[in-house]
Amino acid sequence: DQQVKQNSPSLSVQEGRISILNCDYTNSMFDYFLWYKKYPAEGPTFLISISSIKDKNEDGRFTVFLNKSAKHLSLHIVPSQPGDSAVYFCAASANGGTSYGKLTFGQGTILTVHP
Amino acid sequence: DGGITQSPKYLFRKEGQNVTLSCEQNLNHDAMYWYRQDPGQGLRLIYYSQIVNDFQKGDIAEGYSVSREKKESFPLTVTSAQKNPTAFYLCASSKGPLNEQFFGPGTRLTVL
Repeated sequence: DQQVKQNSPSLSVQEGRISILNCDYTNSMFDYFLWYKKYPAEGPTFLISISSIKDKNEDGRFTVFLNKSAKHLSLHIVPSQPGDSAVYFCAASANGGTSYGKLTFGQGTILTVHP
Repeated sequence: DGGITQSPKYLFRKEGQNVTLSCEQNLNHDAMYWYRQDPGQGLRLIYYSQIVNDFQKGDIAEGYSVSREKKESFPLTVTSAQKNPTAFYLCASSKGPLNEQFFGPGTRLTVL
């Protein structure tokens, strides 16, 4: 039972353009969402998060959008840079229930930014 | 420098042997976690601990055991009961259960 899904295994983008990474979830108890970036053979690095009381959070080139009714979130990277090439994971947690205090991760999307 | 350390980076063991993976943090975080990553998959939670001397099973705890005797340490033992132990293991910590988690560099375990 995949509660957090990233349906695109990979995304290829030209340098300077926008990268849009998508994530869907099924558990309506999820109320906190995070994006992590991961290079091979390293631990994930926290990028940006959003609480369910917001629909947008911005940090520099990174913006996360949350659509609660659609149970969908997306990460926008503008402008994309070759150094952004990595695997991106979305994750979700809940302030209660069986998912309290735990992060549930999607399968990841491999982003490649071409010079 | 504050952070999370995992040792060793690479670990090889023979089938049937137990092996313990180390995880230490000096961030003064209360909560610690162990995940496993397999090729093409996301991170799956093995065990987590929200406070010293307490821990809970995650989604794939079978064949693993943990202890949390000190705030800064959360070792994971991969026992011979784990059917497919070869994987990349990641340790993480957070201030509390509702805060973002910070990850260590990982340990790649290969069982021969």
